[in-house]
Amino acid sequence: DVKVTQSSRYLVKRTGEKVFLECVQDMDHENMFWYRQDPGLGLRLIYFSYDVKMKEKGDIPEGYSVSREKKERFSLILESASTNQTSMYLCASRSVGPETQYFGPGTRLLVL
Amino acid sequence: LAKTTQPISMDSYEGQEVNITCSHNNIATNDYITWYQQFPSQGPRFIIQGYKTKVTNEVASLFIPADRKSSTLSLPRVSLSDTAVYYCLVGPFSSGSARQLTFGSGTQLTVLP
Repeated sequence: DVKVTQSSRYLVKRTGEKVFLECVQDMDHENMFWYRQDPGLGLRLIYFSYDVKMKEKGDIPEGYSVSREKKERFSLILESASTNQTSMYLCASRSVGPETQYFGPGTRLLVL
Repeated sequence: LAKTTQPISMDSYEGQEVNITCSHNNIATNDYITWYQQFPSQGPRFIIQGYKTKVTNEVASLFIPADRKSSTLSLPRVSLSDTAVYYCLVGPFSSGSARQLTFGSGTQLTVLP
């Protein structure tokens, strides 16, 4: 059974803190994604990685960075958390080919 | 880049057929249409994918007219457990870039008893 796991389901951080969100997939997928999801705005792509050490900015990359040192792991980094980064963060992976993304359960981040 | 538009919400009753339409006027020749379902506090999950005409699986059907400027997800005989947000996604079948993928804003389907 395919699996995408995220390091935390809920996270509370303070403004200015550096925040790491981790995502691991066990399907040997080349592509991995980070999205944020806010009410009324749907899913917005933050960053995309098409292979190890390769990344591409999505629609809203400002304030975020990513790291992909190993194929199975994709990390999202908030360099200096701000209150407007309070959101649900979703990670997904996809094999090259059919557009079928497998999503993790999400991390609900609250920045105070 | 194909922009997608979906209704914000829909209500239905148990046992009815539900049709959710997604508009994608600028769909490209190599774009496919994929639908995802999302329950509260979970990530979206794949439901169905198609390129043209009609596709059916054990969960849903997908209707795509000849001009491909829209698509309709059809859920037969819905139950309370089908209450979820449904997203349509338009993008190439095999893409090395996420830039060509466009999620719709989602349709909240509420199934009433």
